[in-house]
Amino acid sequence: GIQVEQSPPDLILQEGANSTLRCNFSDSVNNLQWFHQNPWGQLINLFYIPSGTKQNGRLSATTVATERYSLLYISSSQTTDSGVYFCAVTPTGANSKLTFGKGITLSVRP
Amino acid sequence: GAGVSQSPSNKVTEKGKDVELRCDPISGHTALYWYRQSLGQGLEFLIYFQGNSAPDKSGLPSDRFSAERTGGSVSTLTIQRTQQEDSAVYLCASSLAAASQHFGDGTRLSIL
Repeated sequence: GIQVEQSPPDLILQEGANSTLRCNFSDSVNNLQWFHQNPWGQLINLFYIPSGTKQNGRLSATTVATERYSLLYISSSQTTDSGVYFCAVTPTGANSKLTFGKGITLSVRP
Repeated sequence: GAGVSQSPSNKVTEKGKDVELRCDPISGHTALYWYRQSLGQGLEFLIYFQGNSAPDKSGLPSDRFSAERTGGSVSTLTIQRTQQEDSAVYLCASSLAAASQHFGDGTRLSIL
């Protein structure tokens, strides 16, 4: 099956810093989503981004489908950004089930 | 409500008992998914319903697990003869066909 690799596995930031989270995948995809799992365990949709670039406030994401990677940018980080960030994909031609990466644990310190 | 609703939020039961977990998807969403999140396995797919098509059961870990979706809306995930390794958070998601999936808050299942 498709492999999803996220890096780095852990990240510690000082409040106000910027960061880039990476997701590599091993096959072509027709769905890619970024999620934030907050400390209460809720999975929050950040982006649906099988290709191209999107921005939402301090967050933006870019997926380069031909090179099989996606990047999530967090600018001016806040303590509320802490949690685990997951990338999840659906291979092209497969049904819609998502395969998740192992996640990136982000801690933003005040 | 506007989001995916799951119940109960927490369930503690004894090994060997049966449990039922419920999911109410977002109104109008034709696709419904069950996933589970456990410490050792991360987030993994269990089962997928799309409209009136036969469900994709390829992620169910054993024949003790089953799910149904009645009337194209509410879904129930049933685990029979629970084992300790079934302890996990069970997450439900829904979407419009092959589009962005939206997750509920999950049911935290603990098997004693």
